[in-house]
Amino acid sequence: QKEVEQDPGPLSVPEGAIVSLNCTYSNSAFQYFMWYRQYSRKGPELLMYTYSSGNKEDGRFTAQVDKSSKYISLFIRDSQPSDSATYLCAMRRAGGTSYGKLTFGQGTILTVHP
Amino acid sequence: DAGITQSPRYKITETGRQVTLMCHQTWSHSYMFWYRQDLGHGLRLIYYSAAADITDKGEVPDGYVVSRSKTENFPLTLESATRSQTSVYFCASTWTGTTYEQYFGPGTRLTVT
Repeated sequence: QKEVEQDPGPLSVPEGAIVSLNCTYSNSAFQYFMWYRQYSRKGPELLMYTYSSGNKEDGRFTAQVDKSSKYISLFIRDSQPSDSATYLCAMRRAGGTSYGKLTFGQGTILTVHP
Repeated sequence: DAGITQSPRYKITETGRQVTLMCHQTWSHSYMFWYRQDLGHGLRLIYYSAAADITDKGEVPDGYVVSRSKTENFPLTLESATRSQTSVYFCASTWTGTTYEQYFGPGTRLTVT
């Protein structure tokens, strides 16, 4: 079983829809939770990160972490065609000898059509 | 130019040949990483490095070799390429202060025939 599970989709929504992307994980040592966005034929880029539990909002994007359920979410409001990309969740432990290693989910392919 | 670069961007090679993928970053980041990305698997860590001359295995290291003699370079070598190593390879780097944010290169698309 993978440490991080993410539904690969693909997910297709109309412009303006609210999008919900989710990941579950099994390792309770994870403390940092990230969402990366990857456009076609590009490298991933950090979109948002959250430390421990709670919510974080940045414009149209909201990241939620529920450590009790080992579940994280990314919500995109008023989705735009420019949001079409692969979204990868990523996680890491705090401190120790993790050397900044991240564990990624499989990625969800999102298409927002006009 | 500042940033992280990978070369070549595209490579076709034959089974059994040795191939080296290059990665260069200009930020003097301590940490560097090599991933492979395959459909259904997301990004899987091959090797990582905490500093020059310090490297360690990731999740899928078999068949790969790395070295890091200089902070800015982190080459990945496939000693004897196999078809299962056909993939997109990404190099990434980060610094001690924000290890949750890794900066990725543009990727190398490798095909082994």
